[in-house]
Amino acid sequence: KAGVTQTPRYLIKTRGQQVTLSCSPISGHRSVSWYQQTPGQGLQFLFEYFSETQRNKGNFPGRFSGRQFSNSRSEMNVSTLELGDSALYLCASSLGPGRTSRETQYFGPGTRLLVL
Amino acid sequence: GEDVEQSLFLSVREGDSSVINCTYTDSSSTYLYWYKQEPGAGLQLLTYIFSNMDMKQDQRLTVLLNKKDKHLSLRIADTQTGDSAIYFCAEKRTGANNLFFGTGTRLTVIP
Repeated sequence: KAGVTQTPRYLIKTRGQQVTLSCSPISGHRSVSWYQQTPGQGLQFLFEYFSETQRNKGNFPGRFSGRQFSNSRSEMNVSTLELGDSALYLCASSLGPGRTSRETQYFGPGTRLLVL
Repeated sequence: GEDVEQSLFLSVREGDSSVINCTYTDSSSTYLYWYKQEPGAGLQLLTYIFSNMDMKQDQRLTVLLNKKDKHLSLRIADTQTGDSAIYFCAEKRTGANNLFFGTGTRLTVIP
């Protein structure tokens, strides 16, 4: 079974621009979560989607948004980029809610975003 | 406190055992996880333990859980240079769907 895939792997943007990152979950997985990883703040939860609905959201400004499609693929968007948005953005997929074992998250390789 | 805590660095000699420690926050957390991150890569799930277990062994990996002290450890037997990476513990807290991660422990294996 293929793992979680993320595109693009690397991205360079300038302040004020917007960016869209894509995530394809493991086949059969219906829940997708996004995390931001920075040296200063570590791994922080952005949001989670299941059945095209946002189930949970972390403490990030409204510039960060996401969506999920009917095939469970997900995108996240960051508008009006700031220097501090430079990070590794990780996507994780799981089977979905229910028994906790179904919620074990498997991560993709990440998209490394550099904002200049 | 609110944070999942780990030591930042650990160095061991090749062939020795490594023990990475973690203190988590929610005594009712259902599952606790260990992930490995190699340079430039995402997180690889190594193992997890259900909260009603004290120990789980999976080949070279042994996880110990002390619920009373909210302490989790990962022991890697016969540590190899390929084990050099950052190791994260994570907890799934009651009522939350997301994972809460520790700061990560950078393991360096000296040949």
